Amino acid sequence: DTGVSQDPRHKITKRGQNVTFRCDPISEHNRLYWYRQTLGQGPEFLTYFQNEAQLEKSRLLSDRFSAERPKGSFSTLEIQRTEQGDSAMYLCASSLSGGRQPQHFGDGTRLSIL
Amino acid sequence: AQSVTQLDSQVPVFEEAPVELRCNYSSSVSVYLFWYVQYPNQGLQLLLKYLSGSTLVKGINGFEAEFNKSQTSFHLRKPSVHISDTAEYFCAVSGPNDYKLSFGAGTTVTVRA
Repeated sequence: DTGVSQDPRHKITKRGQNVTFRCDPISEHNRLYWYRQTLGQGPEFLTYFQNEAQLEKSRLLSDRFSAERPKGSFSTLEIQRTEQGDSAMYLCASSLSGGRQPQHFGDGTRLSIL
Repeated sequence: AQSVTQLDSQVPVFEEAPVELRCNYSSSVSVYLFWYVQYPNQGLQLLLKYLSGSTLVKGINGFEAEFNKSQTSFHLRKPSVHISDTAEYFCAVSGPNDYKLSFGAGTTVTVRA
């Protein structure tokens, strides 16, 4: 169990640029989640995959956000035309199937918009 | 939908003293409850979970929590804290057919010598 891996750990970019984050889940986990955490708050759900299928998206996920999990393994989260309000920690988690299964989190990607 | 309220935003405590972090949840269905810890610049680590059965749940690092259905609470306790317990603690809830976690705003625990 190598844990959930996220890359990069930090990303600084100018407003209006596009950014892409990668998440590698624990290998046997078929569920993958993305959360966003702003300063002083708990994580907020963004989206969730069961294998390669994206099954739920939060209203927080505007049209500028897109997530993929093409082969049911790693996932990418892309933000287009970044805005100041996108500055946050983006957390990825994975789990086995079933609501009882705990989610295991990566260390996150911290995005800073200049 | 489920929601969580963490009643204390900051809890200062002296080393070797006990600590209790309060968490109340709101749900119309049965729930699963979790406590996570977050150290600076890191992701969340699971401390413990309540799924069903015994209402007293023991977790890692000497933490335990008690599920109280009538009071819709899931308070976290540790009888004697260490400096290394300084961190942010999050209570989270999910429903039986719900895959996402709903988190509270967090409680910052600062342990002083």
